[in-house]
Amino acid sequence: DTGVSQDPRHKITKRGQNVTFRCDPISEHNRLYWYRQTLGQGPEFLTYFQNEAQLEKSRLLSDRFSAERPKGSFSTLEIQRTEQGDSAMYLCASTGPGLAIGTGELFFGEGSRLTVL
Amino acid sequence: KNQVEQSPQSLIILEGKNCTLQCNYTVSPFSNLRWYKQDTGRGPVSLTIMTFSENTKSNGRYTATLDADTKQSSLHITASQLSDSASYICVVILTLYNNNDMRFGAGTRLTVKP
Repeated sequence: DTGVSQDPRHKITKRGQNVTFRCDPISEHNRLYWYRQTLGQGPEFLTYFQNEAQLEKSRLLSDRFSAERPKGSFSTLEIQRTEQGDSAMYLCASTGPGLAIGTGELFFGEGSRLTVL
Repeated sequence: KNQVEQSPQSLIILEGKNCTLQCNYTVSPFSNLRWYKQDTGRGPVSLTIMTFSENTKSNGRYTATLDADTKQSSLHITASQLSDSASYICVVILTLYNNNDMRFGAGTRLTVKP
């Protein structure tokens, strides 16, 4: 399978615990995005990487959230001291150098659903 | 107020019927508009893209229209199938030079019943 993969697909945790999500983009894609999606809403932008550089972070990304893409391949999104309001689907998407910037063509993973009890 | 508004929020139709989903946006400068389909519990998948110079584009049973003057787009689904049950998300891309400058609508939840 050469699509975007995310792990785990589902995570249930207690408030105050830390969680980490992993995203493996399509191998030739150099741009990687994280989004958060709550029920009945569209995806909300969290952060964006070009290769290993984190180029933009949303105001939604509080200091409890951190994302990395150490070698410009896979990425991790960590949430520390989780709160019930963090319960959401966390989507990863990637796009490649061969796709024209500004077309908005993103290839999404299946998402990681977080439930904070 | 969301800069990309979609209507209706949800829609139920019978299999075989047609339907039209609406997307109104207020953001600018507009570059492109893309429709995504998102099955329950899955990530969105792109259906079609409209540039500011295009009025209509078809992809099988899906036809998207765009009126850049009134800032409205629609997605028409013909002869609906049960597999069309999903959320349909409108995304406005603001510039040609900043690929992460995209604004998502909240989506329309379509249910097709037999």
